[in-house]
Amino acid sequence: SQTIHQWPATLVQPVGSPLSLECTVEGTSNPNLYWYRQAAGRGLQLLFYSVGIGQISSEVPQNLSASRPQDRQFILSSKKLLLSDSGFYLCAWIETGARAEAFFGQGTRLTVV
Amino acid sequence: DQQVKQNSPSLSVQEGRISILNCDYTNSMFDYFLWYKKYPAEGPTFLISISSIKDKNEDGRFTVFLNKSAKHLSLHIVPSQPGDSAVYFCAASGLYTDKLIFGTGTRLQVFP
Repeated sequence: SQTIHQWPATLVQPVGSPLSLECTVEGTSNPNLYWYRQAAGRGLQLLFYSVGIGQISSEVPQNLSASRPQDRQFILSSKKLLLSDSGFYLCAWIETGARAEAFFGQGTRLTVV
Repeated sequence: DQQVKQNSPSLSVQEGRISILNCDYTNSMFDYFLWYKKYPAEGPTFLISISSIKDKNEDGRFTVFLNKSAKHLSLHIVPSQPGDSAVYFCAASGLYTDKLIFGTGTRLQVFP
């Protein structure tokens, strides 16, 4: 069966520090991978998605970047965090080409102080 | 540009009654719609979906209705239970895109 791992669960980082959140998927090949952020009153905002290794689409201009170094690994990064980067970050995957639901990780609560 | 909108941020319903959550979309290329349930500090979990070739899909207590001409879908929960209390998100995707776009969410509270 397929599983998705996302870590860490919580993170407190000072303004200006770097960020690296990792997401890995097991039990599937060539999934579509997504990073979302839930901020207060904003719903689930799509940040990045990837349909394959090295292929990243960015949805909103921001202080974050994403990378997909391996088929089942998706990384969200920042060189210098801002206070506005605080939020709940979620990784998700969908089977490529399927009209199917997305499966989500447990999320990372990031607080920038 | 919010392509998927949930105009009611919250809804309160008595246990046993029907809960109706609404969702509107603007992009006519969307052809697959989903509802998710989310508890605090957890990832969303899938509830039910509907393809644009249908106007209704039912799964136990959950029914989703799609009105393509109005670009509107709704989730009905009957009967509502206290365990249904959560934030509900609708989401949409299209044939020619790999994006999955979510709405802003509706917080449902089911009281005894």
